[in-house]
Amino acid sequence: QVHLQQPGPQLVKPSETLSLTCTVSGGSISGQYWSWIRQPPGKGLEWIGYIYDSGKTTYNVSLESRVTISADTSKNDFTLRLTSATAADTAIYYCARREYGASGYYFDYWGQGTLITVSA
Amino acid sequence: QSVLTQPPSASGTPGQNIAISCSGSTSNIGGNPVTWYQQLPGAAPRLLIYGNNHRPSGVPDRFSGSKFGTSASLAINGLQSEDEADYYCETWDDILKGVIFGGGTKLTVL
Repeated sequence: QVHLQQPGPQLVKPSETLSLTCTVSGGSISGQYWSWIRQPPGKGLEWIGYIYDSGKTTYNVSLESRVTISADTSKNDFTLRLTSATAADTAIYYCARREYGASGYYFDYWGQGTLITVSA
Repeated sequence: QSVLTQPPSASGTPGQNIAISCSGSTSNIGGNPVTWYQQLPGAAPRLLIYGNNHRPSGVPDRFSGSKFGTSASLAINGLQSEDEADYYCETWDDILKGVIFGGGTKLTVL
């Protein structure tokens, strides 16, 4: 059973860089698609991007100028970095696995979420 | 504003059947499979339906999905109190070249 573990809540100052790591257990991150998704308080879900083949990335066009997703296969984890944070980046950030199967593509395993607050 | 359009709210009484719609276009729902997620209060989203109409193991058969053209629908038969949650549709958009979500539908069981 795949399990995604995220850190506790974090406070980030405006204009600084948000950094979050998701640690995967129960399976290797190699050969899979690993994603970040966020949810502002009281609002809907927004896909941020994903990493696959241990280094290739695809990002939401609305965020790609500020986003980097990287992976460390030795630690079996992957990391989100979002630069120039503003209050609009305040959200619960989820990591998730993107499965590409014969019947479709979907997020099947999710982390518990990390509340990131951007405030001075 | 989401590319996929869902009604912001829906409601029903226990035992009732309800449906939640998700409307898109040829660049997303029209050409790609649709996924549905359930998000209980304070929890991470949970996979409910994938590939338009497939249920993962553990999801009750009261939940079903369908797709026709550029729209999809999630049906819940025999509504139960524990179904009170937010529901999101999701798919790939060929123009945006990214994953997109519907705005979500808050289901209330009266």
